[in-house]
Amino acid sequence: EDQVTQSPEALRLQEGESSSLNCSYTVSGLRGLFWYRQDPGKGPEFLFTLYSAGEEKEKERLKATLTKKESFLHITAPKPEDSATYLCAVQPGSGGYNKLIFGAGTRLAVHP
Amino acid sequence: NAGVTQTPKFQVLKTGQSMTLQCAQDMNHNSMYWYRQDPGMGLRLIYYSASEGTTDKGEVPNGYNVSRLNKREFSLRLESAAPSQTSVYFCASSAGAWDSGANVLTFGAGSRLTVL
Repeated sequence: EDQVTQSPEALRLQEGESSSLNCSYTVSGLRGLFWYRQDPGKGPEFLFTLYSAGEEKEKERLKATLTKKESFLHITAPKPEDSATYLCAVQPGSGGYNKLIFGAGTRLAVHP
Repeated sequence: NAGVTQTPKFQVLKTGQSMTLQCAQDMNHNSMYWYRQDPGMGLRLIYYSASEGTTDKGEVPNGYNVSRLNKREFSLRLESAAPSQTSVYFCASSAGAWDSGANVLTFGAGSRLTVL
């Protein structure tokens, strides 16, 4: 069964304290892996797409990496404005348009 | 640029009542989607429209109907609301369907629905 698991469920960091969020997946092939950011009371906002193992993408303090079984979202020297829920989603190699599997998310709180 | 606009933002219904959630996008996207988000669970696809005039079921379609009114608008209807449909509903759009590679989703702000 296709599955996406994100860990930890919640993470509290001090400003400047770097860390990583994990997204592990079990799917039949991988067409793409997506990271989204969701602020409270808002819809998810696209961050990155990764397509193949070894690929990396960066945006400001965020860096996403991909292996054959998991993806990491590295946050370097986070600021309070990085506080949000980060969602991972996987598109399996088969199943077409309706097979985008979301993880439950990691709630990140960055304190001054 | 408004992006994806959903109405209403909040709604309280009694069991058995009906309602329609409205969604409109101004990005000239071909594909539109309705998801629900429940605590501790990932977003789950309810219905999908690859292009104007077509709709398809997603992972959790039971109890819902949709209408792709035109290229801009995609509505979600609950014919007889049940407490299990208490959730936050998100409309999303993308330039193309998944197979096209143009599959980055742009989400609306969400509609919080409570069914008593």
